[in-house]
Parts: sequence; structure tokens; C-alpha cells
Amino acid sequence: EPEVTQTPSHQVTQMGQEVILRCVPISNHLYFYWYRQILGQKVEFLVSFYNNEISEKSEIFDDQFSVERPDGSNFTLKIRSTKLEDSAMYFCASSEFEDEQFFGPGTRLTVL
Amino acid sequence: AQTVTQSQPEMSVQEAETVTLSCTYDTSESDYYLFWYKQPPSRQMILVIRQEAYKQQNATENRFSVNFQKAAKSFSLKISDSQLGDAAMYFCAYRSPTSGTYKYIFGTGTRLKVLA
Repeated sequence: EPEVTQTPSHQVTQMGQEVILRCVPISNHLYFYWYRQILGQKVEFLVSFYNNEISEKSEIFDDQFSVERPDGSNFTLKIRSTKLEDSAMYFCASSEFEDEQFFGPGTRLTVL
Repeated sequence: AQTVTQSQPEMSVQEAETVTLSCTYDTSESDYYLFWYKQPPSRQMILVIRQEAYKQQNATENRFSVNFQKAAKSFSLKISDSQLGDAAMYFCAYRSPTSGTYKYIFGTGTRLKVLA
């Protein structure tokens, strides 16, 4: 069964560094999402992406964040200059239409 | 803005018994979608069950069923004949039907332990 995959599973970085989190959505899906979960808190929506552009973003998704679908298969989340409070689990999801979202296993980002 | 509340951070159930996980939500919309997702340890979230608000009938998937009370804005998940493999984090999620925004709004989750 097709799955959403994410790499790396764990990323450790220094404050102020740039990180890129990678996701490979399910191949025939059209909608892509990033969510994050700070330890012990709820899963929060960051951004949705459709037809090569952002369709919605949350207040969390400020100028430090960007998303890209560089090659038709990968979907990336870039954090330009990481802060301590960016430490969280980041989940990628995809859906075929406005239907059930399929989630990846997550990338744990630790900012030191 | 819509909110989702899961008031039980952790629940325990004996194997083969039944457990109910609670979820309440707040919205001014009349049509929407509700979901329960299961997240086993170190694994991705997978869909357990979904409910469209316009459907009066409660959704059922094998041992999993929901009690959807639209007026009370309540969406509880019942797991019958609990199995060890049901141990996981369970998230309740709300999705607006508004075209162009299909984001989920999640609750904080309930960790379910299944006791042998």
C-alpha cells in the first residue's frame, strides 16, 4: 500500500541554522500539508499546498518557513533560521482530493 | 475559529473490553467532517474512522464505532473487544468543508493503554 515517507526521522541542528525537511507524498495525490506537534501539545496545521502554490497557511508559518515541490515527487519544508521553539515533530500529509489525508511518520526536529 | 477538545490525556482498558474516547468540538458551521486517527508508537497516523456531519447515522468500521451527537458537538470513539494492537495515541480531528482549505484541526490526543 502506498505510504507517505519523510526524511530524516530525526534532525538535530543549532539555533540559527537552516533545515530542510523532506517528504515524498503518495504519487497520485494533489494536496500536500505540513503539520507540527510540539512535545505534549496538539498537532497544529502549518501550510497546505496545491497546484504548486500555497493554498492556506497558519499564523505559525511566518517568513522563516517556506515549502517547495522541487521535482514533482518531493515536498519540502524549509526553516530558514531555526529557533529553540521550532523543536517539534513535523508531519507531512497528502490527499488525493479534499478527502482523507495520509500522514508520514514525522521528522523530529531538535534545535539546540 | 473551530476548536477540538480531547479531555482524556490517557485511558486504560483490559484486553477484550470496550473503551470510549471522548472528543468535543466547537464550530459555527453546519456541515463538516470529523475523523479519528490512530498513531501507534513511532508510526504514522492512520485513519480509523470518519463521519460526515450531514449523515445522521453513526459511522462504524469493524470494532470501531462513533457516537456522533451534532447538537452537543460531541464525537466519541468506541473500541469494542480491545486488542493489544489498539494501544496507541488517538487523535480526533475536524475538517471544514470550505473549498480551498482542507486543513485538519486536531485535539491534543488520548493515549490508550491496553492491559493484557
